[in-house]
Amino acid sequence: GENVEQHPSTLSVQEGDSAVIKCTYSDSASNYFPWYKQELGKGPQLIIDIRSNVGEKKDQRIAVTLNKTAKHFSLHITETQPEDSAVYFCAASTRGTSYGKLTFGQGTILTVHP
Amino acid sequence: GAVVSQHPSRVICKSGTSVKIECRSLDFQATTMFWYRQFPKQSLMLMATSNEGSKATYEQGVEKDKFLINHASLTLSTLTVTSAHPEDSSFYICSARETDTGELFFGEGSRLTVL
Repeated sequence: GENVEQHPSTLSVQEGDSAVIKCTYSDSASNYFPWYKQELGKGPQLIIDIRSNVGEKKDQRIAVTLNKTAKHFSLHITETQPEDSAVYFCAASTRGTSYGKLTFGQGTILTVHP
Repeated sequence: GAVVSQHPSRVICKSGTSVKIECRSLDFQATTMFWYRQFPKQSLMLMATSNEGSKATYEQGVEKDKFLINHASLTLSTLTVTSAHPEDSSFYICSARETDTGELFFGEGSRLTVL
């Protein structure tokens, strides 16, 4: 089955700096890669996703890049703000009948210091 | 946007009792829902895939007789933790796949504490 590795496990940055979180996956059939933000005691919230037919996607301060050959994808947050502090999870899934069956990375605790 | 509601958000029960958690898609139909378990400071682990009108598909290592899943309608899936024990204490999260669009939506989670 799919295995998703996420690094780093913790990331501390100053407000205004950029933050980068990286994930690798093992199943070459995976073709959907969402990123979730989870605040304490809440369910995960989708912040951005990318499908395997594109290499990069951007939404304001958040961007995701995908390298299918190397089987890795990254989340980039620019101009970080204290409210960006949370746990971030990457995930991978395969289109088709099993779509939505997500394999999550281990999570990254992001702390943005004012 | 689409909303997935979980109920209860928090539940405390005594060891040996059974607890039911509901997952509802409020404004869309979901033929398929997924149940995850998350222990403190850990990632989400898929427990089972719930399909409307058929038996759930459980992940390896998840006891189907322990975690009963029922998906009786296109908007409701339930997870029943039977004979709960302290080690079942966890954060249980569901997600729903919108039938028409394939989009995924997560619930807010249900925290189970077994005394």
